[in-house]
Amino acid sequence: EVQLVETGGGLVQPGRSLKLSCVASGFTFSSYWMYWIRQAPGKGLEWVSSINTDGGSTYYPDSVKGRFTISRDNAENTVYLQMNSLRSEDTATYYCAKSGFGVPFAYWGQGTLVTVSS
Amino acid sequence: DVVMTQTPVSLPVSLGGQASISCRSSQSLVHSNGNTYLHWYLQKPGQSPQLLIYRVSNRFSGVPDRFSGSGSGTDFTLKISRVEPEDLGDYYCLQSTHFPLTFGSGTKLEIK
Repeated sequence: EVQLVETGGGLVQPGRSLKLSCVASGFTFSSYWMYWIRQAPGKGLEWVSSINTDGGSTYYPDSVKGRFTISRDNAENTVYLQMNSLRSEDTATYYCAKSGFGVPFAYWGQGTLVTVSS
Repeated sequence: DVVMTQTPVSLPVSLGGQASISCRSSQSLVHSNGNTYLHWYLQKPGQSPQLLIYRVSNRFSGVPDRFSGSGSGTDFTLKISRVEPEDLGDYYCLQSTHFPLTFGSGTKLEIK
């Protein structure tokens, strides 16, 4: 059974940094692209970042490019999201997702809440 | 960026009835490889989103056949027949043909 468990969320001040982790199990982690998606309170879904199987290629939307960095450790079955220069508009639940069936977000974790506030 | 326009925003339905959600894209979602990467998700209250339909019309594992997807090009539809209480929540379409990946703004399915 695919399991994705995100950790690392919390309250952080504007301008500070936070690093999220997502530990995966139930599948061959190194064979799949991984993703982060976020959802602001009461709002819709926004894709945040993607990483290919060996970590050599990463992708971001303009809203986080230059501030967020996705990475992975295939030995530890973990994908990370380093978030720098955080803003109030980054406040959201952050979900980790796994690809499958030609779909980028086939399986989702339970999410971790990040609140950016002074 | 490809804009995904979902309608309606809210959809009151009777249990046992039928629901239809529209998703329109600002440009064609047909990839150069011939595939169309349009997917549907349901987010039940207090839960993570779950994949329902992938590549327009393919039901994901465990999804009942009451759910069906159709469409082509820029115009897509999710239909839910014989609506059950467990179907209530927010529905989102997603396009992964073009970068950046973009979601529709969501449709809330609720009881009439």
